[in-house]
Amino acid sequence: EAQVTQNPRYLITVTGKKLTVTCSQNMNHEYMSWYRQDPGLGLRQIYYSMNVEVTDKGDVPEGYKVSRKEKRNFPLILESPSPNQTSLYFCASRRRTGDNPSYGYTFGSGTRLTVV
Amino acid sequence: AQTVTQSQPEMSVQEAETVTLSCTYDTSENNYYLFWYKQPPSRQMILVIRQEAYKQQNATENRFSVNFQKAAKSFSLKISDSQLGDTAMYFCAFMKGGGGADGLTFGKGTHLIIQP
Repeated sequence: EAQVTQNPRYLITVTGKKLTVTCSQNMNHEYMSWYRQDPGLGLRQIYYSMNVEVTDKGDVPEGYKVSRKEKRNFPLILESPSPNQTSLYFCASRRRTGDNPSYGYTFGSGTRLTVV
Repeated sequence: AQTVTQSQPEMSVQEAETVTLSCTYDTSENNYYLFWYKQPPSRQMILVIRQEAYKQQNATENRFSVNFQKAAKSFSLKISDSQLGDTAMYFCAFMKGGGGADGLTFGKGTHLIIQP
C-alpha cells in the first residue's frame, strides 16, 4: 500500500530533551515536507526537500532540523524542544512537477507531540 | 507569498442538506493548483478534490464539487446530500505550479458538523 509512515504517533517529552520524528514514504516521491498544525492556525510548513541532500526552510523553521540522506526518509529533529513546539506534526510527500503534480501531497497519520 | 482565507470557522447543517464552504486566496502566480483536504477526528489528512488553475471546468468528485472563480480568486467547496461521515475539519490549500517543492499553503480550516 502506498503510504507515508510517521513514528511515533504520540510523544510526551520534557523541555530540552532531543527527539526525532521519523517519516518514510514508499512511493519513490522526490518532494517531502513537514507541517505543524495548531488550533486556529491551520497547517504551516516547517521544512521541505526536493530530493536527497536538498532541503530548505518553510514558514516556521525555528527550532527544527531535517535531513534527507535517503530518498524515502525525511526525519524531523528537535534538538532542544520547548513547550511552544507542542503541536500536531505531519509529514507529506509528492512526485515532482512534470509527473502530474495535480495529485498533490500524500500525508502521514500525524504525530501528536507534547513538550512539558 | 500567497495567502489562503477560510472565513467560516464552523458550520453546521442537517444530514442530506447541501453545504458550501468558502475559500479565497491571494497570489501573483498564474500557474497553480488548489485543493480541499478533509481531516476527520482520526486526524488523517484526506484529499477531497483538486483543481488546476489553467482548467476552466470545475472539478467534481461524486458528492463534492468546487466553484472555481479564477478572476475573483475564489475556490468554494460544495457538498451535496451531506452525510454524518462528512463531519470533519476542511482545509483549503494552494500550491504553486512549476518546478518548486514549496509545498502547500493552507487556510485555517472550517469545522463542518453534520447533524442527524
